[in-house]
Amino acid sequence: QSVLTQPPSVSGAPGQRVTISCTGSSSNIGAGYDVHWYQQLPGTAPKLLIYGNSNRPSGVPDRFSGSKSGTSASLAITGLQAEDEADYYCQSYDSSLSGSKFGGGTKLTVL
Amino acid sequence: EVQLVQSGAEVKKPGESLKISCKGSGYSFTSYWIGWVRQMPGKGLEWMGIIYPGDSDTRYSPSFQGQVTISADKSISTAYLQWSSLKASDTAMYYCARHLGAARIFDYWGQGTLVTVSS
Repeated sequence: QSVLTQPPSVSGAPGQRVTISCTGSSSNIGAGYDVHWYQQLPGTAPKLLIYGNSNRPSGVPDRFSGSKSGTSASLAITGLQAEDEADYYCQSYDSSLSGSKFGGGTKLTVL
Repeated sequence: EVQLVQSGAEVKKPGESLKISCKGSGYSFTSYWIGWVRQMPGKGLEWMGIIYPGDSDTRYSPSFQGQVTISADKSISTAYLQWSSLKASDTAMYYCARHLGAARIFDYWGQGTLVTVSS
């Protein structure tokens, strides 16, 4: 069981909005450590999608947004497109491990 | 342009040793941490550890401490991940990625190296 808990799967129709949650604890997200999100398209390396809870690297569409509150964080994707179908991972530092951890990952299916 | 180029796929037998590589270019290799991430078949990402090529300071995830060795040769801008005795359970895709220490994020990733361990 991951230190950071994500739903195994979410789905949505093209054009819709979906959210992916990442639930942590007092030793990671709740301790104030930043949450980052990665997108992994099928058969490719992960790509940084959101950093520092809500910041987008250059080139990432503003359809992707992140937020954090308490011991949880969320990734929201609006205006779903077929190309968004991928696995999404959250990541945060955990003081009990003295290192970072990834969430278990969420598979997004675009219906 | 920042690039991380990893060595090719490997097929090994249990008990054999292995060292895979990750060559960085397009940035100051000694000024950024490099990390390794494991992805077992059909599974999620696992943070293995990071190294600072400037002084070889290395940090391991407790899950991987003692199981692998992370090293770097700054003269050729290359980081390494090695095993002294492979197990079938080491079969996975291994990614290297540039790690921004203060922010603790992986901003650029290599293409991955598939390691298959089978008798």
